[in-house]
Formats: sequence, C-alpha cells, structure tokens
Amino acid sequence: DQQVKQNSPSLSVQEGRISILNCDYTNSMFDYFLWYKKYPAEGPTFLISISSIKDKNEDGRFTVFLNKSAKHLSLHIVPSQPGDSAVYFCAASLEGIRADGLTFGKGTHLIIQP
Amino acid sequence: DSGVTQTPKHLITATGQRVTLRCSPRSGDLSVYWYQQSLDQGLQFLIQYYNGEERAKGNILERFSAQQFPDLHSELNLSSLELGDSALYFCASSPQGQSNTEAFFGQGTRLTVV
Repeated sequence: DQQVKQNSPSLSVQEGRISILNCDYTNSMFDYFLWYKKYPAEGPTFLISISSIKDKNEDGRFTVFLNKSAKHLSLHIVPSQPGDSAVYFCAASLEGIRADGLTFGKGTHLIIQP
Repeated sequence: DSGVTQTPKHLITATGQRVTLRCSPRSGDLSVYWYQQSLDQGLQFLIQYYNGEERAKGNILERFSAQQFPDLHSELNLSSLELGDSALYFCASSPQGQSNTEAFFGQGTRLTVV
C-alpha cells in the first residue's frame, strides 16, 4: 500500500505560468515532507521541505503548501521555466530518534512548454 | 555534483549471480541510505547505516545486505539475483541520522539482470 501518492504521472505547463504538483499521504504519523527534483541520468536533488507544524514554506520561485487535515501537500512553481522540466518526487518522513528512510511517491514528470 | 559517489554506474549480470554496489558519502556525512527505483516505481527505502551501525531497515530482501565501513563508505550486496532485481539503486548521505533532513543522492547504479 503506497503511503505517499502522486496521482499525476505527468504535467505539462506553459513557460511563465504556474506549475502545481500535488501529493497525498495516508500515514498521519508523517511529520516532515520534502520535494526532490530529478533530471535524467542524475540522482534526485533536494528542492524544498516543510515541517508538519507549518502550512507553507517558500523559497524563491518554489512554495510548498501543507494541508494536514486533508493529508495533502502541493508544490507551486512560479513562474515556470524550461529548466524546471524534470521528475518531481514528493517524500515524507517520521521525525525523531527512529530514523527510517524517506517514503517517496512515484513522481510527476513536469514538462515546461516554451 | 552532490558529492556522493556511486560505482559502478552500470552493471549487467546474469540471474543467480551476486554483485556489490559501492557508495562514498559526502565528506563528513555519517548516514548512508540505500534506495531502489524499479520501473514505474518511486524510490523504495532499503536500509540506512549511521556511523558504521545499521540504523533502520525498509523493504530490503533477505538476499540483499549492506555494510558501512570505518571510512564511512558503504556497500550494498545483492545475491541470488532475479530478473525483478533490475533497477536503479541510489545511495544517499546526510550529516546525521534523522531522515527529516536533506539527503544528498548519488547518480545511481543501473543494474540489469539478464
């Protein structure tokens, strides 16, 4: 059973517009969420994160929103640029001494159209 | 460049064989994580080592094992290989043991079992 779900395998957005990538989770024990970006033939790279005590975190063009009651988070990219074309993975973790690895979604392939 | 080095980049081997994947973490990072990415799957957490000790286990098969050496590099051993073990194997490192921090990923080892 997948605990982190990214229901859109791909998303096409016009350059300059807003890209919104969605992620749902089922485990209410998750308390930290991260987004990773992956280009072909490279490993994932960290993009932005959010703790469950917040509902928004912003870093330049990237904003992550967390809705704990809905167990939903989203990544907004504004404005979208051609270099943003990549696969985006949502990931979740359990805080504290217990240190399991991250639980990842299957990813959303974002394509920025010129 | 994340600073995490994985070797080899590609590996082709036959069913029933045994292989070893190697990971050198970023300088100073104590934690090493191993992930498997199969076709159309998100990254699946396999195992974590922290400063030479096993810290957490995920969906790792009994045919797979790992270790972290005193110089902090890690090896993932895969034995009695099956066709379904074909996947991308990523190593990631982070400074401490908690997974709710940014992890730095290597470029991965693509394993093909024929």
